Amino acid sequence: AQKITQTQPGMFVQEKEAVTLDCTYDTSDPSYGLFWYKQPSSGEMIFLIYQGSYDQQNATEGRYSLNFQKARKSANLVISASQLGDSAMYFCAMDDMRFGAGTRLTVKP
Amino acid sequence: GAVVSQHPSWVICKSGTSVKIECRSLDFQATTMFWYRQFPKQSLMLMATSNEGSKATYEQGVEKDKFLINHASLTLSTLTVTSAHPEDSSFYICSAGQVGEKLFFGSGTQLSVL
Repeated sequence: AQKITQTQPGMFVQEKEAVTLDCTYDTSDPSYGLFWYKQPSSGEMIFLIYQGSYDQQNATEGRYSLNFQKARKSANLVISASQLGDSAMYFCAMDDMRFGAGTRLTVKP
Repeated sequence: GAVVSQHPSWVICKSGTSVKIECRSLDFQATTMFWYRQFPKQSLMLMATSNEGSKATYEQGVEKDKFLINHASLTLSTLTVTSAHPEDSSFYICSAGQVGEKLFFGSGTQLSVL
């Protein structure tokens, strides 16, 4: 069975600063994937980034990057140059389509 | 990117009535769809996985007779909340995709049962 843990209920970041959202996981599968999604107040779910367990490099998508540390079983999301529009809930998930508890990010002007 | 349409966006119903929520993949064939439930300020809870042409696989603790899922075509899955009660009030959201790949989500349905 796979397990996802997000331990930060809420995070604050100053506009234009970088922020790291934590995600740890547990799985016995040798091959797996990790996903990050954003949920604004409107409720829609927006895919941000994906990391495969065998990917040689950490995934990046624009201002989003994934700090993947396989030995520590962590897949933290890094958002650079935060914008006010980044304020939202952020969820980490694994292949089994189950989500972590989420982190509410608030970007301060 | 792929588009998933979910309808209705919100619904208010009386206790004891049934409500049907539709989830359509508009520009691709979705052999697998996932249904989630989300309470305010909480995470998405996977309710069931529906596969086209077969019975849905429900997560532990989810009442099959309460939440009827039908996936009769490659582009449509429906969730029917039967005999709804106030405790069924929640945000329901569907998604389409394959296990291990990114999901395409509908916009969600806010259900309020009076």
